[in-house]
Order: sequence, then structure tokens, then C-alpha cells
Amino acid sequence: EPEVTQTPSHQVTQMGQEVILRCVPISNHLYFYWYRQILGQKVEFLVSFYNNEISEKSEIFDDQFSVERPDGSNFTLKIRSTKLEDSAMYFCASRTSGGAYEQFFGPGTRLTVL
Amino acid sequence: GNSVTQMEGPVTLSEEAFLTINCTYTATGYPSLFWYVQYPGEGLQLLLKATKADDKGSNKGFEATYRKETTSFHLEKGSVQVSDSAVYFCALRDTSGTYKYIFGTGTRLKVLA
Repeated sequence: EPEVTQTPSHQVTQMGQEVILRCVPISNHLYFYWYRQILGQKVEFLVSFYNNEISEKSEIFDDQFSVERPDGSNFTLKIRSTKLEDSAMYFCASRTSGGAYEQFFGPGTRLTVL
Repeated sequence: GNSVTQMEGPVTLSEEAFLTINCTYTATGYPSLFWYVQYPGEGLQLLLKATKADDKGSNKGFEATYRKETTSFHLEKGSVQVSDSAVYFCALRDTSGTYKYIFGTGTRLKVLA
């Protein structure tokens, strides 16, 4: 069964460093999403991406964040200069263009900023 | 905008007890509704879903019915097990834009042997 994958599973970085979180969505999916879950809190929407551009972003997704689809398979989230409060679990999700619009979630990347 | 409200946790039950976790929503239109489960240190697993009013989602003994009149999607299980200990998230799929998911705050369930 196809699934969304994410790498790495855990990333530790120093404050101020750049990190790139990687996701491989399901191959025939066209819509891609990033969500964030700070430890012990709810899952929050960050950004959605379609047709090589951002289609919607939340107020959390400020200038420190960027997304891209560098090739036909990967979907990345970059944080330019990490802050302590960026420590969280980051989930990637993808869906097809029709049907029930159900999103399929990856296992998450835990980002720890020291 | 659309939103989800979940009952506060933690919920502590004895094994074989009946479980209800309340979830209500505010939405324009009729969103699809979901329950996700998150075990310690793991990702989100889809537990069940319902796409229209009066639909009942069910999986692994858990059930939830989409109630349009009360805008609710309460999660129930007749007899919980220790292995059900986890955090449960209610979510809706937004009814416009990019159809992003909107999650509740999560309810931690602890089942004691």
C-alpha cells in the first residue's frame, strides 16, 4: 500500500541553523501539506502546495519557512534560522485531486532545536 | 472560520470500561470528520472517518456518528483495553480553499489494568 514517507525521523540542530525536512508524497498525489505539532499540543496547519506554488499558508508560516518540490518526488520544508520554539513534530500529508479529498499523513519528523 | 472542540483530558478508565470522547465542530457546510490516534512517540493514525450526516465510522471497536443536528462526532468504545492508551484527535476537513485539516486539541486516554 502506498504511503507518505519522511526523513529524517529525528533532527537535532542548533538555534540559528537551517534545516530541511524531507517528504516523499504518494506518487499520484497532487496536493501537499505540512503540519506542526508542538509537544503535547494540537496539530496545526502550516502550508499547502499545489502546482508548484503555495496555495494557502497559516500565520505560523512566516518568512523563516519555505517549501518546494525540487523534483518529481520530494516535497521539502526549510526553516532558514531555527528558533527554540520551532521544536516540534512536523507532519507531511498529500492527497489526490478528487474523490473524498482525504489526506494521507507521513510518520513525522521530530525537530529538536537546542 | 471552521473549528473543532474536544473534551479536555486526561481521561482515565479501567480496562473494559465504556469510553466516550466528545467532539463538536463549527463549520460552514458539511465537512468530512475524522478521528486520529497517536501512540506515544509515534505519528498520526487514521482511526475512523465519516463524510456525511448520519454516517457512522467504525474501526477496531471504536465508533463515531456524524450528527449534523448537534454538530458532533463523539468517539465511543464499548470496552477499552490497556493498549488503547493514547492521544485521540478529532479533526475536520475544511470546506473550502485547500481542504486543509483542522484538529482539536487532543484527548489523552489512559486505561488501567
